[in-house]
Amino acid sequence: DAGVTQSPTHLIKTRGQHVTLRCSPISGHKSVSWYQQVLGQGPQFIFQYYEKEERGRGNFPDRFSARQFPNYSSELNVNALLLGDSALYLCASSSHPGLSEAFFGQGTRLTVV
Amino acid sequence: SQQGEEDPQALSIQEGENATMNCSYKTSINNLQWYRQNSGRGLVHLILIRSNEREKHSGRLRVTLDTSKKSSSLLITASRAADTASYFCATEPNTGGFKTIFGAGTRLFVKA
Repeated sequence: DAGVTQSPTHLIKTRGQHVTLRCSPISGHKSVSWYQQVLGQGPQFIFQYYEKEERGRGNFPDRFSARQFPNYSSELNVNALLLGDSALYLCASSSHPGLSEAFFGQGTRLTVV
Repeated sequence: SQQGEEDPQALSIQEGENATMNCSYKTSINNLQWYRQNSGRGLVHLILIRSNEREKHSGRLRVTLDTSKKSSSLLITASRAADTASYFCATEPNTGGFKTIFGAGTRLFVKA
């Protein structure tokens, strides 16, 4: 059974550009969360979606947005990229937010130049 | 600011020794989880402890939770070189909505 898959694995973008990151949860999981992890720090919570609705949002600017599709996969969009957006972006899926363990993908390494 | 704070920031031990990592948090929680991360890639879930539980075991792992002190500890017994990784605690604040908060992590190095 496939785990959480994220694409792409690596990405290089220029300041001001837009980026879309994708995540497919474990089959049967209806909750997807997104995190940003800067080198040397813990993951920072960005969004949580459950049953295609946003159920939680972290302290990130409006340049960050996300959505969850009917098949429970998810996209994270970041507009007007800044150098400080360079990070590892992690997606996690769970059967139910807050009550069950989360399974993480391997992440997308975004570099903004 | 992050909810969880791990202590120590880094820990170096010999294979076979026990490793203890601590986590403190600030607000009431629904649950607390511990994760491991190797080489800056995906996190692996280790154990979840609910707010009404005080202790849980899983193999060589033992987790305690003291909600009165807003703290948790992770004990790894008989450590192995393969345990070398970063360990994070993550809390689910009991503030409405869903928002998992990670600490900055403890970097464990187990020398063979």
